[in-house]
Amino acid sequence: QKEVEQDPGPLSVPEGAIVSLNCTYSNSAFQYFMWYRQYSRKGPELLMYTYSSGNKEDGRFTAQVDKSSKYISLFIRDSQPSDSATYLCAMGDSSYKLIFGSGTRLLVRP
Amino acid sequence: EAGVAQSPRYKIIEKRQSVAFWCNPISGHATLYWYQQILGQGPKLLIQFQNNGVVDDSQLPKDRFSAERLKGVDSTLKIQPAKLEDSAVYLCASSPGDGTNSPLHFGNGTRLTVT
Repeated sequence: QKEVEQDPGPLSVPEGAIVSLNCTYSNSAFQYFMWYRQYSRKGPELLMYTYSSGNKEDGRFTAQVDKSSKYISLFIRDSQPSDSATYLCAMGDSSYKLIFGSGTRLLVRP
Repeated sequence: EAGVAQSPRYKIIEKRQSVAFWCNPISGHATLYWYQQILGQGPKLLIQFQNNGVVDDSQLPKDRFSAERLKGVDSTLKIQPAKLEDSAVYLCASSPGDGTNSPLHFGNGTRLTVT
């Protein structure tokens, strides 16, 4: 079993839709949870960073962490074609060694 | 703030040849990481430096890969000899490393193709 599981997609949605991206994990020591966005031929860029359980909102993006279920989510409201990218979840423990999911490809159709 | 710089952007070599990648982290960032990202997969940590010391190199194939970070700033990653399965994007990342567990900032990577 991988430490971090993420559905590779692709996920195709119409513009304006609400997108839900998810990851599950097995290591209960993970404390830090991040979402990165990666455009083709670019490096990952940080979208959201949360510590422990709960919700965090930033504009159209909401990150949700449920440590009891070992499940994290990223919601994108009013999705735009420019949101089309690969979304990577990443998690770290107290050593801050990050483990990444395999990424979910998102396509937002105009 | 200038981002993480990496060069070259692309490299094509034949198997058994050697190759080197260079990374310049964000100014003042003490922690530097090299990740390998195979097509369709998430980044996998190869090595982590804190200043010029190695913190974690447990997943670095030491028989062929080597890395150094002289003077705690720039870093180079070398592969010698390369294998077909080394074809991937090599990403460098940095973070302040000041105990605040700040997120990583990535460069755009070097895309390596081994033929």
